[in-house]
Formats: sequence, structure tokens, C-alpha cells
Amino acid sequence: AQSVTQLDSHVSVSEGTPVLLRCNYSSSYSPSLFWYVQHPNKGLQLLLKYTSAATLVKGINGFEAEFKKSETSFHLTKPSAHMSDAAEYFCVVTFSGAGSYQLTFGKGTKLSVIP
Amino acid sequence: ETGVTQSPTHLIKTRGQQVTLRCSSQSGHNTVSWYQQALGQGPQFIFQYYREEENGRGNFPPRFSGLQFPNYSSELNVNALELDDSALYLCASGVAGGREDTQYFGPGTRLTVL
Repeated sequence: AQSVTQLDSHVSVSEGTPVLLRCNYSSSYSPSLFWYVQHPNKGLQLLLKYTSAATLVKGINGFEAEFKKSETSFHLTKPSAHMSDAAEYFCVVTFSGAGSYQLTFGKGTKLSVIP
Repeated sequence: ETGVTQSPTHLIKTRGQQVTLRCSSQSGHNTVSWYQQALGQGPQFIFQYYREEENGRGNFPPRFSGLQFPNYSSELNVNALELDDSALYLCASGVAGGREDTQYFGPGTRLTVL
């Protein structure tokens, strides 16, 4: 079984300050991990993905995430928040071992950016 | 913007009715998955189709069914609608096989059941 826990339901930061969104995962197999972003009334956009290559993954819009197997974590960071980063962020786990690419989502973290 | 499209954008139905939602996959993709996102929640996996057959199913009752067509477009059908079926329904397409397991999402269909 696989699962994802997003440790904060809501994070609020000031514009220009760092962003940290926390995610822990559980998977019986070597997982693939993703972060998706959802702006209000929009679909899901892929930010970045980890698939057992480099443990530090760079994504779009200055976001990056580090895979730490010993901590079963995949936290999302950005050095400097921008107003346009305000959105809902989802940490997602899957593994291809079963042949069905079922994505398991966390409950989401709402990021607010204060001007 | 992904190449995944969904129709309609919004839909209002009454309890007990049936609904069909449609999805067109991104070019070159051969799997399509459907997710239900209730308000304030993360998306929940409904099922995935590959080569026109169901290839994995989440914890949803049989009144949720689907089809995948030879051109990789897809339908989600929901019978006997219940109030709790009100949600954003998301379609995602991808490529089966190998290590590529990224899925690309459409904009969703907002279903309201009254």
C-alpha cells in the first residue's frame, strides 16, 4: 500500500521569503514522487517529479524538492515566494510495479503569499 | 497547458440521474485515468483504462464506469447520481510501460448534484 501525508494544511509566507511545504510518504516499493499545483478553478499542473535518479529534483517556477529515503520525505521548497505561487499544492506517490499507474494524493497544502 | 481536454466544463444534475463526462487524451498517450476531487480534498483515483480495458480501480462502486476508445478518448459514466457525487472530475493521460509514469491532467468537469 502507498500513502502520502502532507504535514500542513495551510502555509502562509510573505512575498520574497522562502517556502517549505512538507510531505512524508509510505510505499512498499521504490516510489515515484510528484508535486502538483492547482490554482483556483484550474486543473492540476506538474511541478516536478522524482524517479530514483538525482535526489534533488528541480521543477518549474523555481521550485525544487529533495527525496530523503531515510526520512521518507519529499519536501517542496522555493527560495523566494511570489504572489503567483498562491495555490493548492499536492504531494503524490505512485509506483509502476503493479502495472497500473495509480496516483495517490495527499490532502493538499494551501499556500498563501502575503504582499 | 497540457493537451488533455475535458467536456463539459460544468454540469448540474439531480439525484438519481445519469451523467457522462468526456476526455480527450494528449497525443501519443495510451492510458487514461479518472479522479474525483471533492471540495477541499485531494483527488481520489476512480479507475484507469489501457488498451480499452479497465486497468486498475479505486474504491468506487460499480455505478462508476468508463470507456476508452481506439483514439484514446474516454468517457466516465455515473449512474444513479447521489448528492456526494458532487465534485470536480479530473481526467489524466499518460504512457504505459517503461519508467515513464507521469500523468497529465485536464482542466476538469465540475459536477453538481441537486
